[in-house]
Amino acid sequence: AQTVTQSQPEMSVQEAETVTLSCTYDTSESNYYLFWYKQPPSRQMILVIRQEAYKQQNATENRFSVNFQKAAKSFSLKISDSQLGDTAMYFCALSNAGNMLTFGGGTRLMVKP
Amino acid sequence: EAGVAQSPRYKIIEKRQSVAFWCNPISGHATLYWYQQILGQGPKLLIQFQNNGVVDDSQLPKDRFSAERLKGVDSTLKIQPAKLEDSAVYLCASSVGLPGADTQYFGPGTRLTVL
Repeated sequence: AQTVTQSQPEMSVQEAETVTLSCTYDTSESNYYLFWYKQPPSRQMILVIRQEAYKQQNATENRFSVNFQKAAKSFSLKISDSQLGDTAMYFCALSNAGNMLTFGGGTRLMVKP
Repeated sequence: EAGVAQSPRYKIIEKRQSVAFWCNPISGHATLYWYQQILGQGPKLLIQFQNNGVVDDSQLPKDRFSAERLKGVDSTLKIQPAKLEDSAVYLCASSVGLPGADTQYFGPGTRLTVL
């Protein structure tokens, strides 16, 4: 069984500052993939960033980057230069080779002007 | 490119009634997923289709939930009879169908309220 834990139910950050969202996971698979999804108040879930577990290099997508610590089973998301449009629920998710996603409980991020 | 379409967007029913949701995936996507997202929680996978075959339905409450994907394109999810605890947003997602880091694209969801 796979589990994903997000220990921060809510976070806030000032506009233009940096924030880090935490995620830990557990899986018995050797081949797996990690994702961060964003769900704005309109509820359409969109992919923010993904990481293949076999890759040591941390993924980066513009202002979004991850800190993947495989031994610690940790996968945190860093948002730099936070913008008001970053306000959303953020979900960490884990999939195996069969693409079955297991989601964490989510972190509600509020970006304040 | 059109995204994943779902209808209806909202549905209110009484317990013990039946309800059906419809999903049209992105054109060419072989894999289709249905998730249940209870308020304040992350989505939970109910069923995964590859073309018109079921890959995994281990978390689908089969005594009341059913899903089909005839012709490997559109899909419907049905609940019969509904219970209060079925109140949730039902999300449909689709992906190309490649093994591994296959990006799932989500629809807007159907918010179901069971009274």
